[in-house]
Amino acid sequence: NAGVTQTPKFQVLKTGQSMTLQCAQDMNHNSMYWYRQDPGMGLRLIYYSASEGTTDKGEVPNGYNVSRLNKREFSLRLESAAPSQTSVYFCASTPFDRDGYTFGSGTRLTVV
Amino acid sequence: AQKITQTQPGMFVQEKEAVTLDCTYDTSDPSYGLFWYKQPSSGEMIFLIYQGSYDQQNATEGRYSLNFQKARKSANLVISASQLGDSAMYFCAMRSGGYNKLIFGAGTRLAVHP
Repeated sequence: NAGVTQTPKFQVLKTGQSMTLQCAQDMNHNSMYWYRQDPGMGLRLIYYSASEGTTDKGEVPNGYNVSRLNKREFSLRLESAAPSQTSVYFCASTPFDRDGYTFGSGTRLTVV
Repeated sequence: AQKITQTQPGMFVQEKEAVTLDCTYDTSDPSYGLFWYKQPSSGEMIFLIYQGSYDQQNATEGRYSLNFQKARKSANLVISASQLGDSAMYFCAMRSGGYNKLIFGAGTRLAVHP
């Protein structure tokens, strides 16, 4: 099925560990985004990639890095995880049209 | 600065009645887009409706309509004939500025009572 695929769906990390969240879309969208959602809050933009080969910081980039590997894939890396990074992470993509943004199903990350 | 404000943390409505979820926005860009998303307890983000800043008519999608008042910078979601399955978090979001960035409000939790 066409859409945005995120892996893994769940992850528990110890403080200081690193990991990469993977995101891939098969809709040929140019723009991709990483958001985090904390309990009772809306989604906040971490990083985005307007097109292949470009990345930019969003609202809350500290502690994260990203890679736009190709048009399909946009990964989010936590170099040294902290408990404050416990959250649900969403990847999204858009071709820039009225139907807007397709979201992945999310990654629930817990840092202990 | 661009901002989305949803002032209703929680709302409840009786089944089959209509409900309005409030959203105000702030942007200096003349061209922008407004979205509403539904997030059920399962966690996925479901696109409901879109309104462009230059659209003359209010957007409608089935039981969803968007009451767009440009001068007041409001984009309220109206759900008609509420169903139990409408119980969820609802987020208003705005695409504004370059690079298609989408910013979200804090959300409104809607509970539909039988």
